Amino acid sequence: NAGVTQTPKFRVLKTGQSMTLLCAQDMNHEYMYWYRQDPGMGLRLIHYSVGEGTTAKGEVPDGYNVSRLKKQNFLLGLESAAPSQTSVYFCASSYSFGQSYEQYFGPGTRLTVT
Amino acid sequence: GESVGLHLPTLSVQEGDNSIINCAYSNSASDYFIWYKQESGKGPQFIIDIRSNMDKRQGQRVTVLLNKTVKHLSLQIAATQPGDSAVYFCAERGAGGTSYGKLTFGQGTILTVHP
Repeated sequence: NAGVTQTPKFRVLKTGQSMTLLCAQDMNHEYMYWYRQDPGMGLRLIHYSVGEGTTAKGEVPDGYNVSRLKKQNFLLGLESAAPSQTSVYFCASSYSFGQSYEQYFGPGTRLTVT
Repeated sequence: GESVGLHLPTLSVQEGDNSIINCAYSNSASDYFIWYKQESGKGPQFIIDIRSNMDKRQGQRVTVLLNKTVKHLSLQIAATQPGDSAVYFCAERGAGGTSYGKLTFGQGTILTVHP
């Protein structure tokens, strides 16, 4: 049981380049989330998904797109990277029912845009 | 203490002391609160959670206290160890059927434990 995994772990992009971050979970969770974390700040929600084939905007969605074609995967895309998108990106997943709203986090992807 | 919205505070303690990390929240309708620990270079890890119908919950060496009157949450760590050194985040879930488990995170408190 690997939990939540993210690839790649590190990436350096030039301004204007594109890339896709992959998140995978093996816990059969319905809900998945993408966050960014900047120095001295908490986690800010970019996009989330409440099930296969559905996505929705979070707090800071501009400049990002997402897709959830399979229940276990949640992809985050940057179409034209900007230096302001330099950050650490975390994916998380959670159950859609039960007493806890605990989100399980991946190890993060450190992205630098030059 | 930390607020869901302010600068990053720090707390330094000696090994063996008890630590108290505070968090203020702004949404009086929030119905669920959670504490995470984040070590350097890693993703956040669950510590303990509490629902708004409780005012205290205990885990192994940790206790969370919720004061809804003043919208304040605290995490108490007993007999703090060097391995407890990390950034601690509180998060809240807004009430409502369309929240989809979304959490709003505070900006974290850096805990440093000195041997």
